[in-house]
Amino acid sequence: DTGVSQNPRHKITKRGQNVTFRCDPISEHNRLYWYRQTLGQGPEFLTYFQNEAQLEKSRLLSDRFSAERPKGSFSTLEIQRTEQGDSAMYLCASSLVGGPRTYEQYFGPGTRLTVT
Amino acid sequence: AQTVTQSQPEMSVQEAETVTLSCTYDTSENNYYLFWYKQPPSRQMILVIRQEAYKQQNATENRFSVNFQKAAKSFSLKISDSQLGDTAMYFCAFMKHGSGGSNYKLTFGKGTLLTVNP
Repeated sequence: DTGVSQNPRHKITKRGQNVTFRCDPISEHNRLYWYRQTLGQGPEFLTYFQNEAQLEKSRLLSDRFSAERPKGSFSTLEIQRTEQGDSAMYLCASSLVGGPRTYEQYFGPGTRLTVT
Repeated sequence: AQTVTQSQPEMSVQEAETVTLSCTYDTSENNYYLFWYKQPPSRQMILVIRQEAYKQQNATENRFSVNFQKAAKSFSLKISDSQLGDTAMYFCAFMKHGSGGSNYKLTFGKGTLLTVNP
């Protein structure tokens, strides 16, 4: 169990550029979540996957955001035409629903995005 | 919708002393989970302790314990014998209980920055 990993850890981009983040969950976990954390706030739910299916998207997730989890393993979060308001820490978490720790989510270190 | 409120943006405590962090929440649900997560500086968030709403007994994990008051919708975290490594942002979080089709998403408070002083 190597934990949840996220890449890159930091990303600086110019307004209008596209960015993509990657999350590798704990290998046997069937659920994967994306959260966004802005300065001075707690994380806010963006979307989640059950295996490869994206089952819910928050209204925080505008049309410029897209997430995938091909083959139910790693996930990518892409932001198109970035805006300064997208600057935040993007957190990924995974869990094993159906097991004894269904309600426990394990978080990655996050990707800090700065849009200039 | 659920809301979680942490009214203490920052707190400090001396090493080896006890500190209590406050959390209140609002929900119309009867079955849910409450969590405290710890986010050390520049490190990932880790689960500190979990409480099931249907359990009357307060959860404990070594030096960490909670005071869960369901009627008052209050969920405080007590850290005993504080250590320098406890310095972190602490988040209170809510999760609705559900079946396999539920989303199990977490709703977080804004956090309390705890500093343990030597």
